[in-house]
Amino acid sequence: DIVMTQSPDSLAVSLGERATINCKTSQSVLYSANNKNYLAWYQQKPRQPPKLLIYRASTRESGVPDRFSGSGSGTDFTLTISSLQAEDVAVYYCQQYYGTPPTFGGGTKVEIK
Amino acid sequence: EVQLLESGGGLVQPGGSLRLSCAASGFTFTRYAMTWVRQAPGRGLEWVSTISSSDGSTYYADSVKGRFTISRDISKNTLYLQMNSLRAEDTALYYCTKLSGGNYLYYFDYWGQGTLVTVSS
Repeated sequence: DIVMTQSPDSLAVSLGERATINCKTSQSVLYSANNKNYLAWYQQKPRQPPKLLIYRASTRESGVPDRFSGSGSGTDFTLTISSLQAEDVAVYYCQQYYGTPPTFGGGTKVEIK
Repeated sequence: EVQLLESGGGLVQPGGSLRLSCAASGFTFTRYAMTWVRQAPGRGLEWVSTISSSDGSTYYADSVKGRFTISRDISKNTLYLQMNSLRAEDTALYYCTKLSGGNYLYYFDYWGQGTLVTVSS
């Protein structure tokens, strides 16, 4: 199984400041046939189901604010919230869909400082 | 609008059975793989099972293999999860999810609200 390691476990950021979440995979999730990274990011607000934010490591899902961005390739990935808003308080998960089983990171809790 | 509506959760004793259902609407059910993902109280997300759209191939987490069965009824646009020999560690909120493509090599683009399964005596 591909192991997903997220860091940090939690972070507190002031409103308007940048939040950065890291995700490392135990093996590359770059699919050579199409040069796409099979990695997604989800946001889960309290008492809600997860919501897709980013897929293919850097493609924003329709309707997701452009303050959310994804980067990275191979085994190292980052989710950045460029200017934290109050509504961004949530737990964020990375997930690989390169192989089965699909696996999730342990989550990063983002709070307001 | 894509909608996924789970039902069937509840309290069950260890060793018991439950069948979860997920009524899907707003998309062509036969074109997309479907998955169950669970989340134990206060914990992270765990993939449980996937059924592909093309040939109905099924995939299971090792933790549920041999006890759970995923299926679908395309005439009813409904996904199921038959859960047998339930254990305390199966206690979780079970989400029905739609994949963005026809097999497991896709991300989860829509999630239901979840149905809670509690295994306890």
